[in-house]
Order: sequence, then structure tokens, then C-alpha cells
Amino acid sequence: GESVGLHLPTLSVQEGDNSIINCAYSNSASDYFIWYKQESGKGPQFIIDIRSNMDKRQGQRVTVLLNKTVKHLSLQIAATQPGDSAVYFCAEFGAGNKLTFGGGTRVLVKP
Amino acid sequence: DTGVSQDPRHKITKRGQNVTFRCDPISEHNRLYWYRQTLGQGPEFLTYFQNEAQLEKSRLLSDRFSAERPKGSFSTLEIQRTEQGDSAMYLCATTKTSGVTDTQYFGPGTRLTVL
Repeated sequence: GESVGLHLPTLSVQEGDNSIINCAYSNSASDYFIWYKQESGKGPQFIIDIRSNMDKRQGQRVTVLLNKTVKHLSLQIAATQPGDSAVYFCAEFGAGNKLTFGGGTRVLVKP
Repeated sequence: DTGVSQDPRHKITKRGQNVTFRCDPISEHNRLYWYRQTLGQGPEFLTYFQNEAQLEKSRLLSDRFSAERPKGSFSTLEIQRTEQGDSAMYLCATTKTSGVTDTQYFGPGTRLTVL
């Protein structure tokens, strides 16, 4: 199948380990952030979101941390599974009611 | 499957031809977005609709591009006189506005290849 993100930063992780994906955003006025997962040949899939009045939010096996001071987001995936292999994008929702995406990180899960 | 559908999934065309893509949103989603994604990049905003009104267009959307959402449901994106640089994945996303920020759900995309 086609590949999304041929020259993306890559995180290789052993199955069962935890993964941490980082993202820096640029607009200090952004008040809503979303992590998306994109598998080859598919559209981005919503994982988890966080609003700017929060520092941390947890979902099923995923946690998002927001540090507004340094404009940094991270996505933590617990007990990474082969199905987690994909490209992960952070996106900020700011002025203009549209998402601005970061560059993406490819996660490769090794069995 | 998010419930957002796009058609066709793949389109190969020759330079100079016109192409049209369709997006069907999740029922009752009143806001619809178009994005373009090239290999190795995140999606880039093109335009969006609130019901049938087109509220914003990116500078990426040249005059060869036109989008419509005539009845506030499905939307079409047309590219006239295609160029090789138009080759990309065209993504549609929809949301139901209930506040200032709302999750956007993406369709599977239409992969355009211009020869």
C-alpha cells in the first residue's frame, strides 16, 4: 500500500513498551489540541483531544500532556501494540476554525 | 470507519483535465472541511463550509479550485486544468458545532495522481 510520510521522524518501539510522541506548536492563542493516527492509505483517525485549560487527559491506553509554557504536547501510548504502528499527528485548533497540523511522527512497533 | 465517505478513493488523470471529488458527511454534521495532504506532510487546510455557506478559503486554493455544498449536506471539490503539483490526497472532515472547538472526523480521502 501507499506510504504516508516517507521522511518522517520515526519512533521504533518494542511491543509492550510505552511510546512517547512529542509535538511543538506555534500559536500561543490555540485553545484546543487533537492527536490523530493515520494508517497507510487512510484518513486521520481521532485519538484524543485536550483543551488549553487542562494539563493532562487520559483515554484508553493513551495520555496527552500539554505544557503551555513551552508550547509542547506529548502523546503517551501504554503497552504499545502492533496495531499502533502508524503516523501520528498533533493538530492545533486556533483562529479561523481550522486545524493546523504538525509534521507527524511514524511509530514502528517491533514484535 | 468514521462515517464520512469520499468518492472516488483514487483518481488518475492527465494534466489539463478537470476532476471532481465528493464528500458525504456524518449526518447532522453542519461544518465540513477540505484538506490537502502531500507525502510526508500533515494535512493542510483548503476551505470549510458552515451548512451551505463557504466561510473561509486558504491561499492554497487557487482559482482553479472550487468547492460547493449546495444543500448543506454533501460537498464537491473541483479542480480545473489539473497540474502535476495537484497530485495529493484530498481529505474531507466534518464536525457538528456545539461550541468553539469540535472534533473533526476525517474521511478516507481521495488520492489524486496527475500524469
